[in-house]
Amino acid sequence: GAVVSQHPSRVICKSGTSVKIECRSLDFQATTMFWYRQFPKQSLMLMATSNEGSKATYEQGVEKDKFLINHASLTLSTLTVTSAHPEDSSFYICSASGTGRRADTQYFGPGTRLTVL
Amino acid sequence: AQSVAQPEDQVNVAEGNPLTVKCTYSVSGNPYLFWYVQYPNRGLQFLLKYITGDNLVKGSYGFEAEFNKSQTSFHLKKPSALVSDSALYFCAVRPMDTGRRALTFGSGTRLQVQP
Repeated sequence: GAVVSQHPSRVICKSGTSVKIECRSLDFQATTMFWYRQFPKQSLMLMATSNEGSKATYEQGVEKDKFLINHASLTLSTLTVTSAHPEDSSFYICSASGTGRRADTQYFGPGTRLTVL
Repeated sequence: AQSVAQPEDQVNVAEGNPLTVKCTYSVSGNPYLFWYVQYPNRGLQFLLKYITGDNLVKGSYGFEAEFNKSQTSFHLKKPSALVSDSALYFCAVRPMDTGRRALTFGSGTRLQVQP
């Protein structure tokens, strides 16, 4: 149990376009989802926290107008990178936590590698 | 603010030998502590967590970790390493006593198990 999927696993886009990444909890209800960014050989940096039905809370330095996060249901959160630029190229990972015994642990998706040309 | 230190960028160990990956933390109040493992180009897999109770926590794949409050440490251990354990390991913390549920991660330690 506690499976989280991400789609797509890999995306290449042109500079100036927008890219949407989906994060789904497959076998539990994710009341909270988190979006992280990981640069090569570095740790995960939290971008934002989203609670179902509420606006996301962004970390300091993360542009909310550039990284749009929607958490419209208990099983789906989306991250849209708007007007992507090469410096947005990175590995984006989502995680989800639920209720009860799944409230204390974050379960991670497999990640999405974004390359902006 | 909380922080996590993983002092070793890489740990090398021979297959069959015991392994330890070190982690120390700083947090206001009581901590929730976690270990995750990451294989190349993959997300993080949950290994184990300390919430409360017994200081020795057992997790997946034979890993365990010991919570030491006085030393603010949560070192990951395994009695006998396997080549397949070679991966990147992350320690993470979040405060127990606040509403903030986001994790703060250490910089990661690459474990290399030689056959």
